[in-house]
Amino acid sequence: DVKVTQSSRYLVKRTGEKVFLECVQDMDHENMFWYRQDPGLGLRLIYFSYDVKMKEKGDIPEGYSVSREKKERFSLILESASTNQTSMYLCASSPPRQEQYFGPGTRLTVT
Amino acid sequence: LAKTTQPISMDSYEGQEVNITCSHNNIATNDYITWYQQFPSQGPRFIIQGYKTKVTNEVASLFIPADRKSSTLSLPRVSLSDTAVYYCLVGGTYSSASKIIFGSGTRLSIRP
Repeated sequence: DVKVTQSSRYLVKRTGEKVFLECVQDMDHENMFWYRQDPGLGLRLIYFSYDVKMKEKGDIPEGYSVSREKKERFSLILESASTNQTSMYLCASSPPRQEQYFGPGTRLTVT
Repeated sequence: LAKTTQPISMDSYEGQEVNITCSHNNIATNDYITWYQQFPSQGPRFIIQGYKTKVTNEVASLFIPADRKSSTLSLPRVSLSDTAVYYCLVGGTYSSASKIIFGSGTRLSIRP
């Protein structure tokens, strides 16, 4: 079974802190994704990576950056957390042209 | 951009067939249509994917008309455990982030 793990299920941070969300997949997938999910808005893509050190901005990249130094690991970075970044963050991976496999999500609260 | 539109919610009863439709008027030639299911406190899970006509697997069927401007996820004989949010995704080879667009999801509630 494909496994996508995220470093934390729940996280509470203060405004202005630098926040790291880690995602690891064990199936050697080329593609990895970071989404945020908010009530009524569905899943919105933050960043997409199609190879090591390769990334593309999604719909809502402002306030976020990403890092992919190894194929299995994709990190989402909130440079200076703000309250409007309180959300559920979902990581996913996929082979080329195939379905995505999602992690369990990290519920981030910024106070 | 292949924007997708789904009903916000649907209700049905155990044992019924449920059909959820997704509209995607601007679908591109190389776009596939993929449906996911999400339970509370979990990430979405793949259900089915198709390009045209009909696709069936052990849990669902996907109907795509010739113009491909919409698709219908069909769940046969639903049970209480099918209560979840269902998302359609229209996208191609994931060669570009601009091609990865989820719908807002349909909250399906199944009653006894």
